[in-house]
Amino acid sequence: AQKVTQAQTEISVVEKEDVTLDCVYETRDTTYYLFWYKQPPSGELVFLIRRNSFDEQNEISGRYSWNFQKSTSSFNFTITASQVVDSAVYFCALSEASTGTASKLTFGTGTRLQVTL
Amino acid sequence: DVKVTQSSRYLVKRTGEKVFLECVQDMDHENMFWYRQDPGLGLRLIYFSYDVKMKEKGDIPEGYSVSREKKERFSLILESASTNQTSMYLCASSLRQGQETQYFGPGTRLLVL
Repeated sequence: AQKVTQAQTEISVVEKEDVTLDCVYETRDTTYYLFWYKQPPSGELVFLIRRNSFDEQNEISGRYSWNFQKSTSSFNFTITASQVVDSAVYFCALSEASTGTASKLTFGTGTRLQVTL
Repeated sequence: DVKVTQSSRYLVKRTGEKVFLECVQDMDHENMFWYRQDPGLGLRLIYFSYDVKMKEKGDIPEGYSVSREKKERFSLILESASTNQTSMYLCASSLRQGQETQYFGPGTRLLVL
C-alpha cells in the first residue's frame, strides 16, 4: 500500500525566512509520480509541481524549489524568502501506477504554513 | 486554463436528506474524482470515473454514490445524509488514464445537522 507522510503538522515563520516542508513516501511501484499542492484559505487545491520517479533533478521555480531523493524516499519543498501570501496548507501526494483506468493519488495529511510579518 | 467548478461553496442539510454535489469541468478530461477532506486525515478518495457512465470505488465509498451521464459532469450523491458526512468535498479532473495531474475545484463545505 502506498503512504505519504508529512510529519510537520504546522509551521510558523516570519516573513523572509526560508522554510522547508518535508514529505516522505512509501511505494512498491518503480514508476510513480509525486506532487505538491497548495491550499490557500479559499479552499481550492492549486497544483504546484509534478515529478516522475525517474527524474531526480532538483527543480526551482522562482522562490520555490523541490528536492527529490529516491534513496531516502523524500520529496521536500523549500520556500525561499517566505511571504505572507505563502500562508496555506501544503499537500504532498503520490500517484500509483495506472491500472488501465485513472491513476489515484494518495495524499499526506498536509502541513499548515503560517507566515507572519 | 483548466476550470473545475462545484455547484455550491457551502451547503447545510439535515440528517436523512438526499444530497447532490455537482462538479463540472470544461477541459474535456476523461477522469473525474471526488474526495473528502477532514482535519488530520488529508484527502481521501470517495469515487472516481474514467469515462461516461463508468465509475470505481475509492477508499471510502460507503454512504455515497456517483453519477456521470455526461463527460463534463460528475455528481456525488449522499443517499441519506448523516452527521459524520459533514466535511469538505473536493472534485478533481485529469486528462487521460495514466499519471496525469489532477486539477481541483474550489470545494463544497457540507454541514449535516
